Amino acid sequence: AQSVTQLGSHVSVSEGALVLLRCNYSSSVPPYLFWYVQYPNQGLQLLLKYTTGATLVKGINGFEAEFKKSETSFHLTKPSAHMSDAAEYFCAVSGTGGTSYGKLTFGQGTILTVHP
Amino acid sequence: DAGVIQSPRHEVTEMGQEVTLRCKPISGHNSLFWYRQTMMRGLELLIYFNNNVPIDDSGMPEDRFSAKMPNASFSTLKIQPSEPRDSAVYFCASNQKARPQAGELFFGEGSRLTVL
Repeated sequence: AQSVTQLGSHVSVSEGALVLLRCNYSSSVPPYLFWYVQYPNQGLQLLLKYTTGATLVKGINGFEAEFKKSETSFHLTKPSAHMSDAAEYFCAVSGTGGTSYGKLTFGQGTILTVHP
Repeated sequence: DAGVIQSPRHEVTEMGQEVTLRCKPISGHNSLFWYRQTMMRGLELLIYFNNNVPIDDSGMPEDRFSAKMPNASFSTLKIQPSEPRDSAVYFCASNQKARPQAGELFFGEGSRLTVL
């Protein structure tokens, strides 16, 4: 079984400040990990993903995340927040085999607010 | 390119009525997923299909819910009879179930269902 825990349902930062959204996962197999973003009244869009290889992955809009197996974490960061980053962010884990392959389990989401 | 297309975008109905939600996946994608999003429960996977065949329907809440995929370009999610607790946003997503794309879901804009 797989699960994802996002620490903090709401995060508030000032424009230009560092963004850090936390995600921890549980998986009995090597996971694929994802961050998705959801803007109001829209579906989810992929920000970035980790499958294999380099543990620091870069995504769209200046976001990046680092896979740390020892900490079972996949935190999302952005050096400088922009007003347009305000949205809800979801961490997700996918199995890599059997019926779990390609099937995503999402965290509860973190709403990011950016203040001027 | 057209993304995942869902209809209707909004549906308001009365308890006991039948509701049918529709989804057209991205052409060439061979996996299709139905998710439900609520404030209380977050994003829940209801069912997913691979090559038009239901693979995992363990997330379907109860017998009132049914889903079909008669061909590669169309799927429906039906609720009969509907209840107020079914009120949610229902998302359809599709992808190519092949490494490394597995988990890289493309979401529609969702169908917001309100059951009075």
